[in-house]
Amino acid sequence: EIVLTQSPGTLSLSPGERATLSCRASQSIDSSFLAWYQQKHGQAPRLLIYGASNRATGIPDRFSGSGSGTDFTLTISRLEPEDFAVYYCQQYVSIPPKTFGGGTKVEI
Amino acid sequence: EVQLVESGGGSVQPGRSLRLSCAASGFTFDDYAMHWVRQPPGKGLEWVSGISWNSGIATYADSVKGRFTISRDNAKNSLYLQMNSLRPEDTALYYCAKDLYYNNGPFDLWGQGTLVTVSS
Repeated sequence: EIVLTQSPGTLSLSPGERATLSCRASQSIDSSFLAWYQQKHGQAPRLLIYGASNRATGIPDRFSGSGSGTDFTLTISRLEPEDFAVYYCQQYVSIPPKTFGGGTKVEI
Repeated sequence: EVQLVESGGGSVQPGRSLRLSCAASGFTFDDYAMHWVRQPPGKGLEWVSGISWNSGIATYADSVKGRFTISRDNAKNSLYLQMNSLRPEDTALYYCAKDLYYNNGPFDLWGQGTLVTVSS
C-alpha cells in the first residue's frame, strides 16, 4: 500500500501570503495519478488538482501543483479568505487502495 | 443540476447491516466509475470502495474487504454500498464520489455524505 505523508500538519498564514503544502509518497508514483482536494468545515471535499499539476474545472489559477516521483507540492500563490481549509493529497494508481494523505490544515 | 445524493445512513449495533444508496443526476452516470469514501468524525479521508462504469471491476480497502459490497444500477443512476458485520470503527460520514474517467481517475464530484454510527 502506498502511504502518503503530508506536511506540515497545520500551516498558520495570513491572507495574501503564499502557502506551500507537501505530500510525500512511500514509493514512487506516476505523477499522472496524484490529486489534491480542498475540504472546508462541514463540506464535502472538492477536487483542486489532478495529474499532479492540472487544475480541475473552475479552480482559480492561484492554485498550482507540481512534483514527481515521491515528492509533490500544492502551492497557493496568494491566500484568499476562502482558502483557509484542510487540504488532502491522494494517489489513484490502478492498484487499490486509492489512499489519501492525512491532510494539512491552513489556518489564519 | 449535477449532483450526488447519499441516503441510508443511521445508527446500528455492531454486527448488524446497513445499505447505503447514492442517487446521481445531471450527468451520464454509466460513463464513469464511482466510489465510496468515508471520514470518521474529526479525522481524515479513507477510500472504501470503487466500481468501474460497467461493474466489471470492483475494488475494496482491506479494512472492509469481505464485509462490504459495492454495486451500481446504471438504469436507475444509482450506486450502492451493502455493509455487513459492522464494527464501531466503521463509524463515519460516507461520501459517494464520481470518478473523472470511466475508470481509475480522481474524484471530481462528491455528495454531502450520509452518517453511519455503529455503537451498542
